Amino acid sequence: SQKIEQNSEALNIQEGKTATLTCNYTNYSPAYLQWYRQDPGRGPVFLLLIRENEKEKRKERLKVTFDTTLKQSLFHITASQPADSATYLCALEGDNFNKFYFGSGTKLNVKP
Amino acid sequence: GAGVSQSPSNKVTEKGKDVELRCDPISGHTALYWYRQSLGQGLEFLIYFQGNSAPDKSGLPSDRFSAERTGGSVSTLTIQRTQQEDSAVYLCASSLVGEGFETQYFGPGTRLLVL
Repeated sequence: SQKIEQNSEALNIQEGKTATLTCNYTNYSPAYLQWYRQDPGRGPVFLLLIRENEKEKRKERLKVTFDTTLKQSLFHITASQPADSATYLCALEGDNFNKFYFGSGTKLNVKP
Repeated sequence: GAGVSQSPSNKVTEKGKDVELRCDPISGHTALYWYRQSLGQGLEFLIYFQGNSAPDKSGLPSDRFSAERTGGSVSTLTIQRTQQEDSAVYLCASSLVGEGFETQYFGPGTRLLVL
């Protein structure tokens, strides 16, 4: 199995700044890692996937890094906006490809 | 196009009653997942269906929980003799095996409250 740690404390930042969220895992390194966004009362929405042989992945204002030595992924939102306020979850594929392990998420609050 | 839909959106039941939760995946998606999310917690894997293969039931917390998928499409999660600790949001997701297999598309969830 896999234990995933995300900061349970909310991250409060000012609009325009870069938000950085952390996802740490404890056991085997997965073939890939995903980040999802979840708004209150809704299901998670897929944002980005990064594979173990990729150091960095970008999509518009989003950037994800994956360090298999540190067993850590960082998720960055540059030029953050109040609309980016949500809970961000990281997910790792399980050891039998059927399961996905999700972190408990970090809530991001972007203040205008 | 239509996304993943779930029904009911909210369900309040009394302890000891049975409940059925429904999931309609995206048309053509062969993989279907059920998760449970308790307040402030991450998603807990429950069960996985892929095509005609035997489902992976390893995440079901007890034998009170069961799920089926008929015709490779609609899925029903059944909780028998509900307990208060079953109160949570039950999320369904589907994905397309092959291209984009790893991307899961989630429904809005069913909020279950057991009194």
